[in-house]
Amino acid sequence: EIVMTQSPATLSVSPGERATLSCRASQSVSSNLAWYQQKPGQAPRLLIYGASTRATGIPARFSGSGSGTEFTLTISSLQSEDFAVYYCQQYNNWPPRFTFGPGTKVDIK
Amino acid sequence: EVQLVESGGVVVQPGGSLRLSCAASGFTFDDYTMHWVRQAPGKGLEWVSLISWDGGSTYYADSVKGRFTISRDNSKNSLYLQMNSLRTEDTALYYCAKSTLRFYYFDYWGQGTLVTVSS
Repeated sequence: EIVMTQSPATLSVSPGERATLSCRASQSVSSNLAWYQQKPGQAPRLLIYGASTRATGIPARFSGSGSGTEFTLTISSLQSEDFAVYYCQQYNNWPPRFTFGPGTKVDIK
Repeated sequence: EVQLVESGGVVVQPGGSLRLSCAASGFTFDDYTMHWVRQAPGKGLEWVSLISWDGGSTYYADSVKGRFTISRDNSKNSLYLQMNSLRTEDTALYYCAKSTLRFYYFDYWGQGTLVTVSS
């Protein structure tokens, strides 16, 4: 199984500041990595797929980068609605054992 | 507009059975692989199972293999999860999720249905 890790577990950021979230895979997942945002009481929402492609309707302040085992989600200027938990997910292996990272909580500093 | 609406979550005793349903609309259901993903209270996300567009291929996480069965009825635009031999660790919010035609990330999610396994 490919194990996904995320750091930090919690990131305290002031509105308007930049946030950088990391995701690491235990083995290469190529660019088969997605990022999701989850707010309390809501389902996850797809932000990024293919490591760097924004999903439909996702603001340009969200960007993804990386390949192989190291990935980054950057939120360039945090808005109040961006405070949430962010998960990475790999979808590289077959037969499928799709795995998620444990999440990074972005909260207000 | 894509909609996924789960139902069937209840409180059930350990060892019991339950069937979850997901009603899909707003897209051509029988074109897409579908999934169940779960989230234990206060925890992260865990992929549970997938079924191919025609139901011909199914896969499961090791944690549920042999106990859960995924199925679909394309004539009803519906996805199902039969859950047997339930354990307390199966307590979670169960999401129905759609992946894309080529890749297995989840572009649409339902709101989830809560399964509680407790005596």
